Amino acid sequence: QSVLTQPPSASGTPGQRVTISCSGSSSNVGSNSVNWYQQLPGTAPKLLMYNNNLRPSGVPDRFFGSKSGTSASLAISGLQSEDETDYYCGTWDDRLNGWVFGGGTKLTVL
Amino acid sequence: EVQLVESGGGLVQPGGSLRLSCAASGFTFNKYWMNWVRQVPGKGPVWVSRIHSDGSTTSYADSVRGLFTISRDNAKNILYLQMDSLRPEDTAVYYCAREAGGWGNYNFDNWGQGTLVTVSS
Repeated sequence: QSVLTQPPSASGTPGQRVTISCSGSSSNVGSNSVNWYQQLPGTAPKLLMYNNNLRPSGVPDRFFGSKSGTSASLAISGLQSEDETDYYCGTWDDRLNGWVFGGGTKLTVL
Repeated sequence: EVQLVESGGGLVQPGGSLRLSCAASGFTFNKYWMNWVRQVPGKGPVWVSRIHSDGSTTSYADSVRGLFTISRDNAKNILYLQMDSLRPEDTAVYYCAREAGGWGNYNFDNWGQGTLVTVSS
């Protein structure tokens, strides 16, 4: 059971906008910045979004992050077939004194 | 280019030990906190342990505290994870990850390719 809660799946058609949620608590999402990771099959997670809404170099501006209270979201606009993969949120937990992640959301492009 | 290359995984019997290594290159290793994160295929990542840039401070997830030991050799740019008393539930892909950022906002900006640990009789 992951500390952060994500929907197990999400889907959309090419060109659509989809949103993936990440729910936590006051000790993690509520008090620390949230990062998002994208994981292609058979590879390591890759940093996709950091500090809630900042994109590392090379990440398209179709990806947008936000946070409000104890919840965070990753939005992907102009959905493309290459976006079909797994997404994880992560942050620091002040109570556990360690990093925590969500269980992941598998995005399907229909 | 930042590179993190894990090694040392394999099949081990319950109660056995393994030492994982993570060779770092392409950055000033002794300036960064480093972490071990594990992941069962199909599940979310789970943080295991972290170590300060100079090795002075370490922390562990409750599930491995007292069983695993993280360490580093800054002269050789290598991160280690000594895993003792292994249990079947420790079976996972183990990644080393660099912790980066500042001003209270940190993230795992670089990950290794992972090494598979299987605990089974």
